[in-house]
Amino acid sequence: EDQVTQSPEALRLQEGESSSLNCSYTVSGLRGLFWYRQDPGKGPEFLFTLYSAGEEKEKERLKATLTKKESFLHITAPKPEDSATYLCAVQASSGTYKYIFGTGTRLKVLA
Amino acid sequence: NAGVTQTPKFRILKIGQSMTLQCTQDMNHNYMYWYRQDPGMGLKLIYYSVGAGITDKGEVPNGYNVSRSTTEDFPLRLELAAPSQTSVYFCASSPYQGPGELFFGEGSRLTVL
Repeated sequence: EDQVTQSPEALRLQEGESSSLNCSYTVSGLRGLFWYRQDPGKGPEFLFTLYSAGEEKEKERLKATLTKKESFLHITAPKPEDSATYLCAVQASSGTYKYIFGTGTRLKVLA
Repeated sequence: NAGVTQTPKFRILKIGQSMTLQCTQDMNHNYMYWYRQDPGMGLKLIYYSVGAGITDKGEVPNGYNVSRSTTEDFPLRLELAAPSQTSVYFCASSPYQGPGELFFGEGSRLTVL
């Protein structure tokens, strides 16, 4: 069964304290792995798409990486405005139109 | 640019009532989706559509119905509301058939009492 697991569930960081969020997946053929940011009371907002192992994408303080079993979202020197829930999703070859979402990591960055 | 617009943002229903959550997008996307999000759970797919006139069930379709008469609109109908349908509902769209980003609305929070 296709599955996505994110860890940790919640993370508190001091401003400037770098860390990584993990997304482990098991799918029957990966078509794409996606990272989204979700603010309270809002819909998820797209951050990155990764397609193959070894691929990396960066945006400001965020960097996403992908291996054959997991993806990491590295946050370098975070600021309070980076506080949000970060969602990981995969699209598998077996389900053309279907995305499988993880439960997310709630990140809180303290000033 | 409006993107994906959902209405209403909040609604309280009594058990057994029915209602429709509206979703419209102005990006001319063919692919549209309805998800529900419950605390501690990932987004679960209710229904999806690959174009006007074509819809299909997702993981959790029971108690819901959809229609897609135009490219822009994808309403979600709740029949005979039950407390288990208390959730936050998100509509999303995508221009891609293959792997691609989803564009989400801001959500509709529904409480069934």
